[in-house]
Amino acid sequence: GAGVSQSPSNKVTEKGKDVELRCDPISGHTALYWYRQSLGQGLEFLIYFQGNSAPDKSGLPSDRFSAERTGGSVSTLTIQRTQQEDSAVYLCASSLPSLGEQYFGPGTRLTVT
Amino acid sequence: RKEVEQDPGPFNVPEGATVAFNCTYSNSASQSFFWYRQDCRKEPKLLMSVYSSGNEDGRFTAQLNRASQYISLLIRDSKLSDSATYLCVVTSGGSYIPTFGRGTSLIVHP
Repeated sequence: GAGVSQSPSNKVTEKGKDVELRCDPISGHTALYWYRQSLGQGLEFLIYFQGNSAPDKSGLPSDRFSAERTGGSVSTLTIQRTQQEDSAVYLCASSLPSLGEQYFGPGTRLTVT
Repeated sequence: RKEVEQDPGPFNVPEGATVAFNCTYSNSASQSFFWYRQDCRKEPKLLMSVYSSGNEDGRFTAQLNRASQYISLLIRDSKLSDSATYLCVVTSGGSYIPTFGRGTSLIVHP
C-alpha cells in the first residue's frame, strides 16, 4: 500500500520567509510525528499528534514553529520567518500507537539562504 | 547520561563478516525497542522490532537484555548492501514518543 508521503521534497527559501511542509500519513495511522535531521546529526523530535490533537509539542524549537493536523490525516508544519539554522531535512512518520513501529516519509530538505 | 547511547563507529568490516552493535538505554521503564537502518540522505526504515525473547530475521538477530539495559543487533554474512547507519529506538512505558539513538555507522567493504 501507499507509504508516508511528504511535499515538497526540496524547498529553498530566503531568510525571513514562511514555509509550509506537508505530510500524508499511511491511511489508518492515528499517530503522526515530525522530526528534523541536520546533516550528519541524529533525529530531533519536534511534535507528536494523536488524531488531531498534539499532546506533546515539547520539541518545537521556537514559537516560529507550529503544526496542525486535520481530519486525523494530513499534517502541515509551518515555519515562520525562517532562519538559516532552520535548514535541515524535515521528516514525518506515522504509526499505529499500539504497535509503536514508525514509518517515515522521504522528508523535505529545507534550505534557507 | 543520554537516554539512548550508541557507538557511532564506523564499523568497517569485510563482506561475509559477522558484526554486532549494542545500544544502551537509561530508562528502566522502557517497553518497546526497535532497530532502524538509514541509508545516506534517505529516511530511516524499520529493520526489526526487538522482543524480550530475542528474534531473528534472516541474517539479522536482535536481543534485549533488560537487566543490563541494552539491546543488540547481530548481522551475519555481511553484504555490501548492509552499509548504512543503524539506529536504536526505545519507547518508554506510557509514552508514545520514541527516543532515537544517534546511530552506528557500518561500512562493509569487498
